[in-house]
Amino acid sequence: DGGITQSPKYLFRKEGQNVTLSCEQNLNHDAMYWYRQDPGQGLRLIYYSQIVNDFQKGDIAEGYSVSREKKESFPLTVTSAQKNPTAFYLCATTGTGGPSNQPQHFGDGTRLSIL
Amino acid sequence: SQKIEQNSEALNIQEGKTATLTCNYTNYSPAYLQWYRQDPGRGPVFLLLIRENEKEKRKERLKVTFDTTLKQSLFHITASQPADSATYLCAPNNAGNMLTFGGGTRLMVKP
Repeated sequence: DGGITQSPKYLFRKEGQNVTLSCEQNLNHDAMYWYRQDPGQGLRLIYYSQIVNDFQKGDIAEGYSVSREKKESFPLTVTSAQKNPTAFYLCATTGTGGPSNQPQHFGDGTRLSIL
Repeated sequence: SQKIEQNSEALNIQEGKTATLTCNYTNYSPAYLQWYRQDPGRGPVFLLLIRENEKEKRKERLKVTFDTTLKQSLFHITASQPADSATYLCAPNNAGNMLTFGGGTRLMVKP
């Protein structure tokens, strides 16, 4: 089945630890996005990538890092510099065209908590 | 920056009635506006996209309107069913051509 796979579903971070969230897609989409969702709030854009080996900061990039070495994969690292990492993290993709004039396809998220 | 307002209080309606959800935006005039459904613990699922030159868009029991003068979009579900219970997110594009998501409105349809 075509889709977006995020793993793990639940993740716990210790103080001072970096953790990496996985996002894999088999939709052959060029663009990929990472969002953060806090309870009762809208999704906020962390990073996005429109092509392999290129990515841009979103609205809340501080304390996060990404890489885009393969078209299918866009991992997000939550670094120890992110002081409030507890949230629901969502990965999305879009095909050819702009990020807002076509549907975004989402994975089922990773819930990150602090131990 | 762009601000999106959706009613944060849950909307409770009876099965069979029409649900109407509101999305208001400020500080920018979007060219596109999208609506998504999100179930607990899941990612959002795309429902409809409407362009600034379209007043109304329909898909089965769903209807979206886009009033660029009022800076408002309305999302309607006719003949609502308990299975329609979910959180609905509106997402206009911003000046950077990225989507800006509202906090969502939770809809509860009672049998």
